[in-house]
Amino acid sequence: DSGVTQTPKHLITATGQRVTLRCSPRSGDLSVYWYQQSLDQGLQFLIQYYNGEERAKGNILERFSAQQFPDLHSELNLSSLELGDSALYFCASSGSLDFPGVNYGYTFGSGTRLTVV
Amino acid sequence: TQLLEQSPQFLSIQEGENLTVYCNSSSVFSSLQWYRQEPGEGPVLLVTVVTGGEVKKLKRLTFQFGDARKDSSLHITAAQPGDTGLYLCAGAGMKTSYDKVIFGPGTSLSVIP
Repeated sequence: DSGVTQTPKHLITATGQRVTLRCSPRSGDLSVYWYQQSLDQGLQFLIQYYNGEERAKGNILERFSAQQFPDLHSELNLSSLELGDSALYFCASSGSLDFPGVNYGYTFGSGTRLTVV
Repeated sequence: TQLLEQSPQFLSIQEGENLTVYCNSSSVFSSLQWYRQEPGEGPVLLVTVVTGGEVKKLKRLTFQFGDARKDSSLHITAAQPGDTGLYLCAGAGMKTSYDKVIFGPGTSLSVIP
């Protein structure tokens, strides 16, 4: 158990639908990151939140949105789903401030496998 | 745009052999991380290197950060079937400690008993 909890583990839904993926970061971590992993695209950064605020955006579609709540858990909302959105979605957290200016790495959850049919 | 390349893309070796995986970029990174990912699971952080030229060892795994902090290598000695997995390198930018990390495409390693 990495300490990062993602639910659900598997999700099957139809095209055009909306789903919400949930992530609880490791205790004490303030940053949450969302990644999408597909066979042909590798691990793609979607969005980062730090202590409730959006900090960085990657290749996140307009149909996707996210937020981080006061208790630091985060949700990724995917709407108007298309077949191409089928992928593994990972949440990661970090929070080390041991050395300012250095990212010491992430702790990943076990992911949510989304299948759009 | 920062990009990371990894080579080889696929590697299949016999148990007991040595191997090296490479991670290259034209960008300078404040730190570089190596992860191992098993099918259906999230990547697990193996090591972070920060200083140019730094070498870190984790049992049979040796990680090196290039002097210019643009590249890294992972060497595995006497590979075991348990080493099988996808090895990902990831570089963190120079801006802040929370700058997003860029992942390479990965090297898929298969160690045959």
